[in-house]
Amino acid sequence: DAGITQSPRYKITETGRQVTLMCHQTWSHSYMFWYRQDLGHGLRLIYYSAAADITDKGEVPDGYVVSRSKTENFPLTLESATRSQTSVYFCASSEQALLGYEQYFGPGTRLTVT
Amino acid sequence: AQTVTQSQPEMSVQEAETVTLSCTYDTSENNYYLFWYKQPPSRQMILVIRQEAYKQQNATENRFSVNFQKAAKSFSLKISDSQLGDTAMYFCAFRYSGGGADGLTFGKGTHLIIQP
Repeated sequence: DAGITQSPRYKITETGRQVTLMCHQTWSHSYMFWYRQDLGHGLRLIYYSAAADITDKGEVPDGYVVSRSKTENFPLTLESATRSQTSVYFCASSEQALLGYEQYFGPGTRLTVT
Repeated sequence: AQTVTQSQPEMSVQEAETVTLSCTYDTSENNYYLFWYKQPPSRQMILVIRQEAYKQQNATENRFSVNFQKAAKSFSLKISDSQLGDTAMYFCAFRYSGGGADGLTFGKGTHLIIQP
């Protein structure tokens, strides 16, 4: 499928478990991002990546780990999930050629930590 | 760090009316971009309109237009002839015009309801 996809779309996990959210884009965009959306907070940046093997922290990185071994994939791992990480997670991608570095968003993953 | 404020948590208007959503931001930068994103119940984030800070002319996309007041750091969205399909959360967002790795800073959103 062309575009940006996320998997799974829904996930329920228990406190303390490790969980990985996947993000895949087919445009070969250089830049990729992870955001979380919580009621009353809008979207907040967790991590971003400027290219393969280049990642950096955003506003709320604690408890998350990312990697980017290939340009098209940007997985987000919760090493030991906590209830406060219950949220909707969005992946996005962008490229210099896009006006204003417009970001294209995936459909989101709703994660529930019990 | 920049901040984005949307002061209207929820708005409701009748179909075909015009509605304006407010957004203010705070930054010390001179060059940046502003965006309005729409999020319908499907949860998909959809870009509605963008504005480059160096452009004085307000951006327009069909029924959507902005009122960009750089000195006042205000970026409101006007929706004309509102339609039922415009019902959604609307987010105002900011990013620097430096490198592409800069993420977006979002406001908390305005829930817009279009009544039939």
